[in-house]
Amino acid sequence: EPEVTQTPSHQVTQMGQEVILRCVPISNHLYFYWYRQILGQKVEFLVSFYNNEISEKSEIFDDQFSVERPDGSNFTLKIRSTKLEDSAMYFCASVATSSSNQPQHFGDGTRLSIL
Amino acid sequence: QKEVEQDPGPLSVPEGAIVSLNCTYSNSAFQYFMWYRQYSRKGPELLMYTYSSGNKEDGRFTAQVDKSSKYISLFIRDSQPSDSATYLCAMRNSGGSNYKLTFGKGTLLTVNP
Repeated sequence: EPEVTQTPSHQVTQMGQEVILRCVPISNHLYFYWYRQILGQKVEFLVSFYNNEISEKSEIFDDQFSVERPDGSNFTLKIRSTKLEDSAMYFCASVATSSSNQPQHFGDGTRLSIL
Repeated sequence: QKEVEQDPGPLSVPEGAIVSLNCTYSNSAFQYFMWYRQYSRKGPELLMYTYSSGNKEDGRFTAQVDKSSKYISLFIRDSQPSDSATYLCAMRNSGGSNYKLTFGKGTLLTVNP
């Protein structure tokens, strides 16, 4: 069964450094998402992306965050200057179409640790 | 009031028990309701996907939605040790499936052999 893949599984970065998290969505999917889960807290929506532009973003997704689909397969989340509070699991998700009966499929996440 | 509330547990049951997991929500615009299962160090895996009120059954799993009470449930029959995981409820507005999901905090379930 097709799946969403994320790399790396664990990223350790010094505070203030830039980090790029990578995702390969399911190949025929058109809508892409990033979610975040701080340890012990809810999975939270960050941003959705369609047709090479952001569809919606949460208040968490400030100017330090950006997303990009640099080619036909990858979808990246960049954090420009990381803070301690950015430490979390980051999940990528994708969905095939906007048809109502399509669920979002999630990758296994990248654990981001900011030192 | 939080948009989605879910008792985090932990919940510990013997093998074979019936498990009931629940979420309440406050946003009347939510129309699509999901249950995801999350094993340790893994991403959410879709279990059940329902629209509006009613029941949906898939094997040992039954999802119920009561929109009038803003209450959703997941029942697991004949629970197995392999069902031990965190169960997340999630929901979204009507319209396209591209809408963002709002999650509960998750309930940690342990099924003891």
